[in-house]
Amino acid sequence: EPEVTQTPSHQVTQMGQEVILRCVPISNHLYFYWYRQILGQKVEFLVSFYNNEISEKSEIFDDQFSVERPDGSNFTLKIRSTKLEDSAMYFCASGGTTSYEQYFGPGTRLTVT
Amino acid sequence: GENVEQHPSTLSVQEGDSAVIKCTYSDSASNYFPWYKQELGKRPQLIIDIRSNVGEKKDQRIAVTLNKTAKHFSLHITETQPEDSAVYFCAATMNRDDKIIFGKGTRLHILP
Repeated sequence: EPEVTQTPSHQVTQMGQEVILRCVPISNHLYFYWYRQILGQKVEFLVSFYNNEISEKSEIFDDQFSVERPDGSNFTLKIRSTKLEDSAMYFCASGGTTSYEQYFGPGTRLTVT
Repeated sequence: GENVEQHPSTLSVQEGDSAVIKCTYSDSASNYFPWYKQELGKRPQLIIDIRSNVGEKKDQRIAVTLNKTAKHFSLHITETQPEDSAVYFCAATMNRDDKIIFGKGTRLHILP
């Protein structure tokens, strides 16, 4: 069964540094998402992406965040200047056109020190 | 915006007994309600979902009920087993391509 994959599984970075989190969605999916989960809290929506542009973004997704689909397979989340409060698990998800289900990747644990 | 409330935050159930988790949502336009199970350090896994045109759905030991009028939906797990111990999230969304709004989660402990 196809799965969403994410790299790296764990990223440690210093405050102020840029990070790029990578995702490979399921190949025939058209809708892509990033969510984050601060330890012990709920999963929160960050951004959705369709047809090479952002469909919707949350209040969390400020100017420090950006997303890109640089080629036909990867979907990336960039944080330009990380803050301590960006420490969280970041999940990528993708969805197709035949069902409502979103398929989640295994997540990238981002630790900002 | 859409908000999903979930109760209880923690639930301890004797093995073999039933567990019920309840959620409410705020936006009457929501029409798809997935439930996710998340084990420690893992991704949320869809365990069951329900569309707004259905009042109840069952899959083996798991069932979900939906009351659109009251904007309530619930997860029922019968004959609980140790491997049911996890955090369960209810969620809601409006359209196929829409964001998913999650509840705060219920930590379910199955007691031996």
